Amino acid sequence: AQSVTQPDIHITVSEGASLELRCNYSYGATPYLFWYVQSPGQGLQLLLKYFSGDTLVQGIKGFEAEFKRSQSSFNLRKPSVHWSDAAEYFCAVGAHDMRFGAGTRLTVKP
Amino acid sequence: NAGVTQTPKFRVLKTGQSMTLLCAQDMNHEYMYWYRQDPGMGLRLIHYSVGEGTTAKGEVPDGYNVSRLKKQNFLLGLESAAPSQTSVYFCASSPQGLTYEQYFGPGTRLTVT
Repeated sequence: AQSVTQPDIHITVSEGASLELRCNYSYGATPYLFWYVQSPGQGLQLLLKYFSGDTLVQGIKGFEAEFKRSQSSFNLRKPSVHWSDAAEYFCAVGAHDMRFGAGTRLTVKP
Repeated sequence: NAGVTQTPKFRVLKTGQSMTLLCAQDMNHEYMYWYRQDPGMGLRLIHYSVGEGTTAKGEVPDGYNVSRLKKQNFLLGLESAAPSQTSVYFCASSPQGLTYEQYFGPGTRLTVT
């Protein structure tokens, strides 16, 4: 069965510092992979997705993610974090039967 | 475009009561989904629909029913609410094709006492 693990429940970074959020997945075939962001009290917004091809994908708001099949990982990165990036981030895998990770809450220190 | 809207935004039910959550989308999307979000568990798929008149079970379907009589609407019903159904419910829609990227509504916070 497909599943997603986000090992970090909460991460704190300083504004301007780089960010990496980890995601590991289990999936039987070539996975459809996604990262979503959720601000407090809001729905989820798609940051980026991977289906095939180039393993480094660019998303909105300056985020990127790298698919590594050998490590079953799809980590999210941003070179310089802004205070407005504080939110909860979810990794997801699948098609119609999407499975989400438990989320990583990002706090940004001034 | 309003995107995906959900009605109501908040609701409190007593155990055993029934209710229906309404999801509407104005993007002409073919696929629609209902999720619940609980602390520390991410989102879990309840039911989904790949077209008008068709529905399928997701990861946690027990205690819920759905209907998709019109393409733009997807209803989630609780026939006999239980405290374990206290959650935030999100609806999402996705365009036809193999992208599977989902557009989410703002959520409905349901409390069952």
